[in-house]
Amino acid sequence: KQEVTQIPAALSVPEGENLVLNCSFTDSAIYNLQWFRQDPGKGLTSLLLIQSSQREQTSGRLNASLDKSSGRSTLYIAASQPGDSATYLCAVIALWGGKLIFGQGTELSVKP
Amino acid sequence: DVKVTQSSRYLVKRTGEKVFLECVQDMDHENMFWYRQDPGLGLRLIYFSYDVKMKEKGDIPEGYSVSREKKERFSLILESASTNQTSMYLCASSSVDRGYEQYFGPGTRLTVT
Repeated sequence: KQEVTQIPAALSVPEGENLVLNCSFTDSAIYNLQWFRQDPGKGLTSLLLIQSSQREQTSGRLNASLDKSSGRSTLYIAASQPGDSATYLCAVIALWGGKLIFGQGTELSVKP
Repeated sequence: DVKVTQSSRYLVKRTGEKVFLECVQDMDHENMFWYRQDPGLGLRLIYFSYDVKMKEKGDIPEGYSVSREKKERFSLILESASTNQTSMYLCASSSVDRGYEQYFGPGTRLTVT
C-alpha cells in the first residue's frame, strides 16, 4: 500500500530564506506527483504537477524535483515571503484512475 | 482556467437531516472526487467517479452516497446526517488528458448539530 510522508510537519523561517520541503513515497510505481498549497479554511491550490518521466518542474520561485527510484520529491521555495505561509501538501497520483494519495502536509510560516 | 465550484461555503444541519453537497466543474473532466478533511486525519477519499452514472467507493464511503447524472456535476449525499460528519468537504476533478492533475473547489464547511 502506497504511503506518503512529508517532513518536517512544521517549519518557521525568516523572510528571504530559501527552503526545501520534503516528500517521500513507498512505491515508485506512480503516474505523476502533484504539489498543492492550502490556506486555512480554504481548498487546495495546485502548484506543480511533475510527470513521472520528468526530473523537475518550475513555476516562478517554486521548483519541484522528482526521483522515482528513491521515492522522493522536494519542493524548493526561493526567497520566501510572508505570503508563502500556508500548508504544503504533496500527493502521488496512482497508475490507475488518477487517485491521489496525500502526505500529511508541511505547515510553513514565513516571519517578516 | 479550470474552475470547480461547490454549492455552499458553510452549511449547518441538524442530526438526521438529508444533506446534499453539489460540485460543478467547467473543464469537461471525466473524473470527479469527494474528500473530507479533518484535523490530524488529513484528506480522505469518500467517493469518486470516472464517468457519468459511474461511481466507486473511496476509503470512507460509509454514511455517504453520490450521484453523477451529468458529466460536469457530482453530488455528495448524506442520507441521515450525524455529528461525526461535521467536517470540511472538498470536491475535485481531473482528466487523463492533463496527467490527472487534480483541481479542487473552495470547500464546504459542514456542521451537524
